[in-house]
Amino acid sequence: DSGVTQTPKHLITATGQRVTLRCSPRSGDLSVYWYQQSLDQGLQFLIQYYNGEERAKGNILERFSAQQFPDLHSELNLSSLELGDSALYFCASSARQGADYGYTFGSGTRLTVV
Amino acid sequence: AQTVTQSQPEMSVQEAETVTLSCTYDTSESDYYLFWYKQPPSRQMILVIRQEAYKQQNATENRFSVNFQKAAKSFSLKISDSQLGDAAMYFCAYRSYYGGATNKLIFGTGTLLAVQP
Repeated sequence: DSGVTQTPKHLITATGQRVTLRCSPRSGDLSVYWYQQSLDQGLQFLIQYYNGEERAKGNILERFSAQQFPDLHSELNLSSLELGDSALYFCASSARQGADYGYTFGSGTRLTVV
Repeated sequence: AQTVTQSQPEMSVQEAETVTLSCTYDTSESDYYLFWYKQPPSRQMILVIRQEAYKQQNATENRFSVNFQKAAKSFSLKISDSQLGDAAMYFCAYRSYYGGATNKLIFGTGTLLAVQP
């Protein structure tokens, strides 16, 4: 157990639907990062939050949004889902904004859009 | 923009032997961090080893060591005494030393390592 908890582990939904992925960072970590892993795009950075505030944005689609709550857990919202959104979504956390010692990753949420 | 390249999509090694996975990167920055992550079939991303660019000494973690060549922008991973549990996808990753929008980890496309008994 890495200490980063992601729920649900698996999600199957239809095109056009909206889903919410949840991440609880490791205890004491203030930074949360979201990554998407797909077969054709590899591991892509989506967005980072630090202590409730957005800090960096990557190739995140406008249909996707995220937030970090006062208790530091984060949610990634994916709407108007398309087949191409099927992927493994990782959350990672680190103690500070930078990740000098690398990030601690959760076990991911496998999203399948049918 | 920084890029990370892993030119070996797949590698195979015999149990107890040594294997080296290659990684090259491109950056104009002088300070940065490099990482190797392991992703076994469970899909969990596990940090294997890290290297600070300002350190000339190569990082070592038990059976895992790196060969960091800053001028050549090369960062290879050597696994000694390979074990069946080493079978996994290995990702090389880069992160800028500086914060802000460059906090993100930039990953290579991965090398799938098979360990033969």
